[in-house]
Amino acid sequence: QLQLQASGPGLVKPSETLSLTCTVSGGSITSNNYYWGWIRQPPGKGLEWIGSIYYSGSPYYNPSLKSRVTISVDTSKNQFSLKLTSVTAADTAVYYCARGDGYSQFDYWGQGTLVTVSS
Amino acid sequence: QSALAQPASVSESPGQSITISCTGTSSDVGYYNSVSWYQQHPGKAPKLMIYDVSNRPSGVSNRFSGSKSGNTASLTISGLQAEDEADYYCSSYRSSTTLFGGGTKLTVL
Repeated sequence: QLQLQASGPGLVKPSETLSLTCTVSGGSITSNNYYWGWIRQPPGKGLEWIGSIYYSGSPYYNPSLKSRVTISVDTSKNQFSLKLTSVTAADTAVYYCARGDGYSQFDYWGQGTLVTVSS
Repeated sequence: QSALAQPASVSESPGQSITISCTGTSSDVGYYNSVSWYQQHPGKAPKLMIYDVSNRPSGVSNRFSGSKSGNTASLTISGLQAEDEADYYCSSYRSSTTLFGGGTKLTVL
């Protein structure tokens, strides 16, 4: 059974960089036709797609976050990562990692990790 | 404001059916057959219920069905059960990006 586990600091200071890693187990991150994505959800609000990446391709990002986001893959560790720069309180959210198809339909999700931006 | 429009809340009695709408544009819902629906219970990760407009992943009850007409997609839940009470989100692909609806809170009375 495929499992995804997001990890990283739960507290980030304003203007700093949020960094999260998603570890994939029970399957390979190099599986054909699967993309790996990040989605976030501010407390009490809806879902927002951040971006997705194919293990051998270029990432694509939400245009509203593109200037601050980097998503990368480490196939040797079966992990993919998210970096979000210059964070503000508006970036406080539960961050989910997930597996999707080429059209961002996500069938496996991690449990989510809450990241709070506060000094 | 979300890119895809959903009603904020709906409610219905157990055993009845309900339909949740998701309205986009001719560049997303109306163009691509990559509309998906997610169920989210409080404190839990979203769960994929429908993909490619009307397909159910293995293990999802056949009480859940999806459809699309023009720029509007719909999720129908028949034979409502207490466990169906949750938030539901639609999503659509749009030219190298992905849109979510604002979510609909379903209350089973």
